[in-house]
Amino acid sequence: SAVISQKPSRDICQRGTSLTIQCQVDSQVTMMFWYRQQPGQSLTLIATANQGSEATYESGFVIDKFPISRPNLTFSTLTVSNMSPEDSSIYLCSVGGDTLVYGYTFGSGTRLTVV
Amino acid sequence: QKEVEQDPGPLSVPEGAIVSLNCTYSNSAFQYFMWYRQYSRKGPELLMYTYSSGNKEDGRFTAQVDKSSKYISLFIRDSQPSDSATYLCAMRAVGSSNTGKLIFGQGTTLQVKP
Repeated sequence: SAVISQKPSRDICQRGTSLTIQCQVDSQVTMMFWYRQQPGQSLTLIATANQGSEATYESGFVIDKFPISRPNLTFSTLTVSNMSPEDSSIYLCSVGGDTLVYGYTFGSGTRLTVV
Repeated sequence: QKEVEQDPGPLSVPEGAIVSLNCTYSNSAFQYFMWYRQYSRKGPELLMYTYSSGNKEDGRFTAQVDKSSKYISLFIRDSQPSDSATYLCAMRAVGSSNTGKLIFGQGTTLQVKP
């Protein structure tokens, strides 16, 4: 399975600022996803990062708040914009294989605290 | 109603016990079923995946899918303290509506006491 490097692993940010999270994969992958895991909660999909085109966002998530880039098949970034304390969460990058048969691999996550 | 329901626990068992973790779902289009294990401050790690109905065994772990009842289970035999973690079920649909998206249960926190 793919190996994912996600940076930063954690950060404490001021209200109103933005943070960009990076996801680097050691092999080319078709599908990349960004999830949010709020404290004590399960994983919620934010968007699917599409290579060479705009990301596909889930209901409740918008591009202005969570802009995503995917310049190639091994790299993606998620930006959390104009942060508020409600954005405090773990953000996870996930990748899936071409066949979509196997379960997806997750990065170790970025633990974000907004103060 | 959530698409996937999972009892959050916490579940506490003695070492060596058999653990049963369960999820129910409502979307009949789900065909791929997965179990993830998540240790504190780590990303989810894939444990088991199953396509459609049936059983799958891997060491101390057995995954079962009953599509007629829309019910999946993960059994852990001879549980160890190192099994203490949060277990998440996840599912994916196939067909024209398939986007590759996984739908997760809430996760069950398991503690195995020595």
